[in-house]
Amino acid sequence: EAGVAQSPRYKIIEKRQSVAFWCNPISGHATLYWYQQILGQGPKLLIQFQNNGVVDDSQLPKDRFSAERLKGVDSTLKIQPAKLEDSAVYLCASSLDPGRGTEAFFGQGTRLTVV
Amino acid sequence: AQSVAQPEDQVNVAEGNPLTVKCTYSVSGNPYLFWYVQYPNRGLQFLLKYITGDNLVKGSYGFEAEFNKSQTSFHLKKPSALVSDSALYFCAVRARGGGFKTIFGAGTRLFVKA
Repeated sequence: EAGVAQSPRYKIIEKRQSVAFWCNPISGHATLYWYQQILGQGPKLLIQFQNNGVVDDSQLPKDRFSAERLKGVDSTLKIQPAKLEDSAVYLCASSLDPGRGTEAFFGQGTRLTVV
Repeated sequence: AQSVAQPEDQVNVAEGNPLTVKCTYSVSGNPYLFWYVQYPNRGLQFLLKYITGDNLVKGSYGFEAEFNKSQTSFHLKKPSALVSDSALYFCAVRARGGGFKTIFGAGTRLFVKA
């Protein structure tokens, strides 16, 4: 079974530039998550999708971050404009049926450095 | 609001000794509880989960965890630690309802000394 795919693995940009991350979840997983993991901290949930609808985006900085999940499969997370404090690893995860306790499977993440 | 606390930033244990990594949580109702492990430059790997039933759950690589409802805890344990267990461990809680959001703790670094 293929895992969660993310790209790119690494990205370096200057502050005020824009950047986009891509995620392809495990086939059949209706729920998709984007987490931000700052060095030395636990993953922080940015947004959760159920199919192509948003379930929770309460911690997404909506003035600069946006995310979409067209057709309920692949997802993109965008930052525009980036700030220095956005430097982090962005993790995508998917789960078959969170309401029944299925675990989330994580991709390897995209390490973003804003200089 | 739901939250997870991992009170120890780091746990040090000698190889062959038992290990415990602590986790307490706050959530309305009965939660789903998870443990994940993270190796350097890798994503999070699922270890085990509690859904319902027996309070002692067994998972990958010889790890187990005990759910204690009265103490709202879900401590990770292993009877005999290996050097290869050295990694970053995260506890996570998911409320049953309200979108089934999964919240992670800050993590505990486990160091197993040979």
